[in-house]
Amino acid sequence: GAGVSQSPRYKVTKRGQDVALRCDPISGHVSLYWYRQALGQGPEFLTYFNYEAQQDKSGLPNDRFSAERPEGSISTLTIQRTEQRDSAMYRCASSLDTGGAAYGYTFGSGTRLTVV
Amino acid sequence: AQSVTQLDSQVPVFEEAPVELRCNYSSSVSVYLFWYVQYPNQGLQLLLKYLSGSTLVKGINGFEAEFNKSQTSFHLRKPSVHISDTAEYFCAVSDGGSSASKIIFGSGTRLSIRP
Repeated sequence: GAGVSQSPRYKVTKRGQDVALRCDPISGHVSLYWYRQALGQGPEFLTYFNYEAQQDKSGLPNDRFSAERPEGSISTLTIQRTEQRDSAMYRCASSLDTGGAAYGYTFGSGTRLTVV
Repeated sequence: AQSVTQLDSQVPVFEEAPVELRCNYSSSVSVYLFWYVQYPNQGLQLLLKYLSGSTLVKGINGFEAEFNKSQTSFHLRKPSVHISDTAEYFCAVSDGGSSASKIIFGSGTRLSIRP
């Protein structure tokens, strides 16, 4: 597609429920990144993929968080047994090549997750 | 691990005045440096980046930044701001080189322009 597409734009869920956030990167972009941004803070790195391989998941807060990109295109970030502290804007970005930092990222509009 | 410090959480300036947003990064052998802008209710947009070469980098909307290795700084400047520059600005860093990929962001500086 023309840009990075994230869905849903807004998600309200009850504490304890599982949620799945979707990211559709720019067509042909090799690398895909997930960030979390709390209000008034900068984006916090969660994980990233080159093609379908997860390269770095050091930013995932705990084992309730997982991500996959099975065919090297669309990615899903799953949060199990959500807690109120998981409430944030979840941002996805993609880059053309595996040296993504050199190209900069293209960010999606994000999914705002609210856990009540 | 790389890190970025943005020394000012908020910077108020008058319209048409100059502005400098400060950024310091943790030292590494080589780094890539970035400034991103986030306008109200919008996503993050790349303003400019330093990869190598000239230490003065020009970006969109009249912004520029200077890479200073000895001071590990990458301050963002604009000689004359407009109301439309009201936004949050994020400095970011990545390890340089072929393995570079993960970008680490600072906590942001909110630029507010007074008429």
